[in-house]
Amino acid sequence: EVQLVESGGGVVRPGGSLRLSCAASGFTFGDYGMTWVRQAPGKGLEWVSGISWNGGSTGYADSVKGRFTISRDNAKNSLYLQMNSLRAEDTALYHCARGFYSKDYWGQGTLVTVSS
Amino acid sequence: QSALTQPPSASGSPGQSVTISCTGTSSDIGGNDYVSWYQQHPGKAPKLMIYEVTKRPSGVPDRFSGSKSGNTASLTVSGLQAEDEADYYCSSYAGINNFVFGTGTKVSVL
Repeated sequence: EVQLVESGGGVVRPGGSLRLSCAASGFTFGDYGMTWVRQAPGKGLEWVSGISWNGGSTGYADSVKGRFTISRDNAKNSLYLQMNSLRAEDTALYHCARGFYSKDYWGQGTLVTVSS
Repeated sequence: QSALTQPPSASGSPGQSVTISCTGTSSDIGGNDYVSWYQQHPGKAPKLMIYEVTKRPSGVPDRFSGSKSGNTASLTVSGLQAEDEADYYCSSYAGINNFVFGTGTKVSVL
């Protein structure tokens, strides 16, 4: 059974940093691109970042470019999102999803709240 | 990276069909076939319903179908059922490792 479990969310002050993790199981992690998608409270889905199967290709939404860094460790079946210079508008539920072009499995998400 | 445009809401009676549009540009929807659709029930994670414009993942009922013409993609739900009531989002590849989601459509079953 494919499982994606996010962790690392929490409350952080503006300007602060957080590192999200996504633990994958039930499939060969290194065969798939991965994606982070966020959803602000009561709002729609927003693509944040994606990474290819080997980490050789990455992409970022304009809203996070230069502040967030996506990475992966295929040996640990894990996906990461390093988030720096956090802003109030980054407050959202962050989901990791399997796939680069289409996302066929999603985790339940980890909540990030940026507030002073 | 502007969001793709979807109608805020759509509705139909059980057994009827509903079609949701998703309008983008030649840089996203019109420029490739990596259009996908996601269903999201309240408090739940999104679920992939359609990928590469017309393809259905295993387990998705054939009542769900996708199409594209120019810069607009569409999702049609035929034979509407109560469990189809949910939010639906389109998504498209937008070039150079970038993606964009639609604004979302709330489908109500009357």
